Amino acid sequence: QQQVKQSPQSLIVQKGGISIINCAYENTAFDYFPWYQQFPGKGPALLIAIRPDVSEKKEGRFTISFNKSAKQFSLHIMDSQPGDSATYFCAASRKAGNMLTFGGGTRLMVKP
Amino acid sequence: DGGITQSPKYLFRKEGQNVTLSCEQNLNHDAMYWYRQDPGQGLRLIYYSQIVNDFQKGDIAEGYSVSREKKESFPLTVTSAQKNPTAFYLCASSMYRGKSSYNSPLHFGNGTRLTVT
Repeated sequence: QQQVKQSPQSLIVQKGGISIINCAYENTAFDYFPWYQQFPGKGPALLIAIRPDVSEKKEGRFTISFNKSAKQFSLHIMDSQPGDSATYFCAASRKAGNMLTFGGGTRLMVKP
Repeated sequence: DGGITQSPKYLFRKEGQNVTLSCEQNLNHDAMYWYRQDPGQGLRLIYYSQIVNDFQKGDIAEGYSVSREKKESFPLTVTSAQKNPTAFYLCASSMYRGKSSYNSPLHFGNGTRLTVT
């Protein structure tokens, strides 16, 4: 069974701190790893994504780190802001299958 | 303004009744999806459709049914056979580029919260 395990389930960070969310996957055929951000009462929206030919991708304050040998990837939010408070989902898919498998989600709260 | 519209936002039903959730998109996307969201369980795929008049079961299709008669529309029916129907339901769409390519990112609607008592 394809699985993506995400941790922690919830995270509280002070404003200006670094938020780190981790995901681990089992299927070595996965080759696309997006992160989605969801605000309360809304649908998730793509935040940032990475493919395994690079070990890191940065977009503004958001960085994905990817470790292919460990089958792990993580999201780092630098200088976390209260507006970053949301639920974050990691996901994975393989090109041939195209279906995303989602992690369980992390509820992030950034305290002012 | 392109997007995905899910209606209604909140839906209440009595146990034993079938209920249909609406999903409409004007993004000209080929593929559409239904996900169920429960606390701590992430998003689980119920059904998906890559072209009109064709759809496939996802991981948790039991107790659900769909149709795809038009490219823009992908309604989901929660039947009385679904044992735990109370959940947040999300519809999504993407461009389908074939099995040898990556799909475009998923675009989600704002969900329908279904409560069955």
